[in-house]
Amino acid sequence: GAGVSQSPSNKVTEKGKDVELRCDPISGHTALYWYRQSLGQGLEFLIYFQGNSAPDKSGLPSDRFSAERTGGSVSTLTIQRTQQEDSAVYLCASSLGVGTGKGELFFGEGSRLTVL
Amino acid sequence: AQSVTQLGSHVSVSEGALVLLRCNYSSSVPPYLFWYVQYPNQGLQLLLKYTTGATLVKGINGFEAEFKKSETSFHLTKPSAHMSDAAEYFCAVSASASGGSYIPTFGRGTSLIVHP
Repeated sequence: GAGVSQSPSNKVTEKGKDVELRCDPISGHTALYWYRQSLGQGLEFLIYFQGNSAPDKSGLPSDRFSAERTGGSVSTLTIQRTQQEDSAVYLCASSLGVGTGKGELFFGEGSRLTVL
Repeated sequence: AQSVTQLGSHVSVSEGALVLLRCNYSSSVPPYLFWYVQYPNQGLQLLLKYTTGATLVKGINGFEAEFKKSETSFHLTKPSAHMSDAAEYFCAVSASASGGSYIPTFGRGTSLIVHP
């Protein structure tokens, strides 16, 4: 696609429910990143994929968070048993490759998650 | 390890005045530096970047930044603020990690407020 696409744009859920957030990167971009943006906290790195592989999962806040990428394209971030502190904007970005572009990322518009 | 410090969570200027947003970084290896802008309810978009070569880099919308290695700084400036410049600005640093990957680390952001 022309840009990074994320869905849903807004999600309101009840505490304890599971949510899935989807990211469709720019066509041809092999690297995909997830960040979390909380009010006043800047961007917190969660995880990145090179192809379908996620070499470093240490940025995920807890074992309730997981992510996968299939076919070297679409990625899904899953949060199980959501908590109120999970409320944030989840941003997805892509790049030509994790070693190319030297860190220049192309961002989607984000998925705003509100946990009641 | 790498980190970014943005001085001032909010900067307020009058329309037509100089814009100066401060960014200091820490990196154990030569860094690549970026400024991104985020308009309300949108994702981040690249303003400018420093990779190698000229230390004064020009970006979109009249912004520029200067890489000063001795001061570990990458401050963003614009000679004359426009109302349309009101947004959140993020400084980011990336440097080669093991395996040749570049995962940007972002600052907490600076909200630019422009008064008529």
